[in-house]
Amino acid sequence: GDSVTQMEGPVTLSEEAFLTINCTYTATGYPSLFWYVQYPGEGLQLLLKATKADDKGSNKGFEATYRKETTSFHLEKGSVQVSDSAVYFCALSDSAGTASKLTFGTGTRLQVTL
Amino acid sequence: GAVVSQHPSRVICKSGTSVKIECRSLDFQATTMFWYRQFPKQSLMLMATSNEGSKATYEQGVEKDKFLINHASLTLSTLTVTSAHPEDSSFYICSVGRGGETQYFGPGTRLLVL
Repeated sequence: GDSVTQMEGPVTLSEEAFLTINCTYTATGYPSLFWYVQYPGEGLQLLLKATKADDKGSNKGFEATYRKETTSFHLEKGSVQVSDSAVYFCALSDSAGTASKLTFGTGTRLQVTL
Repeated sequence: GAVVSQHPSRVICKSGTSVKIECRSLDFQATTMFWYRQFPKQSLMLMATSNEGSKATYEQGVEKDKFLINHASLTLSTLTVTSAHPEDSSFYICSVGRGGETQYFGPGTRLLVL
């Protein structure tokens, strides 16, 4: 079945550092890929998505590129801020819309310090 | 995006009792609602998908007689954990969607069964 593997956290960075959170997936067919973010005390929010190979999703300075050849969707940000501290989830869906079944990774906690 | 609330945010109950968790979409007519559970340091696992006015579709391994889901309206779904046991202790999260659009997640309900 489908699965998502992401790097274990926590990841601790200083403000303005470069961020990479690795995500790889296993799926049949051509899934859509997502990154969700969960801030403390809040529900998961869609951060960005990509629906086909070589697509790049981007939002709030974060970006991730759908790499079919390496089955990866790594999340990157050039300069993190304290406000980026949250848990990040990589996910896939067999449909372009997200109102269908999502398979999640285990989540990676990011802690950004001054 | 939609605002989704869950009530209660946390609940402690005795083994053998039933617990009802509400998921409300405050400003969004949700034709589809999803229920997930999350164990510590593990990913969100989809339990069931429900469409308004019809019976929920449960994922493999989820007992439909134990986890009763009622999608009563376009803004309300309830999950009832019947005869709860300590192994049911978990974090339960709902999300709402509307045909191909982004899923919006609630903040989750932490259940502890003593």
